Amino acid sequence: NAGVMQNPRHLVRRRGQEARLRCSPMKGHSHVYWYRQLPEEGLKFMVYLQKENIIDESGMPKERFSAEFPKEGPSILRIQQVVRGDSAAYFCASSPSDSETQYFGPGTRLLVL
Amino acid sequence: GIQVEQSPPDLILQEGANSTLRCNFSDSVNNLQWFHQNPWGQLINLFYIPSGTKQNGRLSATTVATERYSLLYISSSQTTDSGVYFCAAANSGYALNFGKGTSLLVTP
Repeated sequence: NAGVMQNPRHLVRRRGQEARLRCSPMKGHSHVYWYRQLPEEGLKFMVYLQKENIIDESGMPKERFSAEFPKEGPSILRIQQVVRGDSAAYFCASSPSDSETQYFGPGTRLLVL
Repeated sequence: GIQVEQSPPDLILQEGANSTLRCNFSDSVNNLQWFHQNPWGQLINLFYIPSGTKQNGRLSATTVATERYSLLYISSSQTTDSGVYFCAAANSGYALNFGKGTSLLVTP
């Protein structure tokens, strides 16, 4: 059973460009979470999704960030018009239901030049 | 949200030594997990342990939910145990709140 997969593993963008981060959950998992690890702030929850639904996006910045988990295909975290402060490691996790173990992917390291 | 505090913040051990890492949390939990972030930045699941005791090889964990703390025990430490250990807790089922971690260095 393959683990949570994220791609790309590393992403370099210039200020103002868009970043798209992809996450394929573990087989059989329909719950996806995104977290961000900033150098001085630690790991923070961003958003929780189930297939075709955003359940909780309380940790998402209000502007430029969006997430989706379509019926088919991976979950996508999209950051528009990136700024240097968006440079961070973005982790995706999945679980078979809430209140169960969340399994984390290897992360995407985003660097904004 | 729930507050998670970890101690100690830093720890240096010689290979073969044992250690105990602590995690205090501010509210009741229905999810508590321990992770190891290795030097390559990957988050490795160690335990899902909202209550009780579990063991996996040289690692074990105990959560006393009524007293709002969890302990991670590492026995006979190895250099590959180096990295940052995170405790994360949730009281609403899904949004894990992470502590700041314990940075462990195991020297040969």
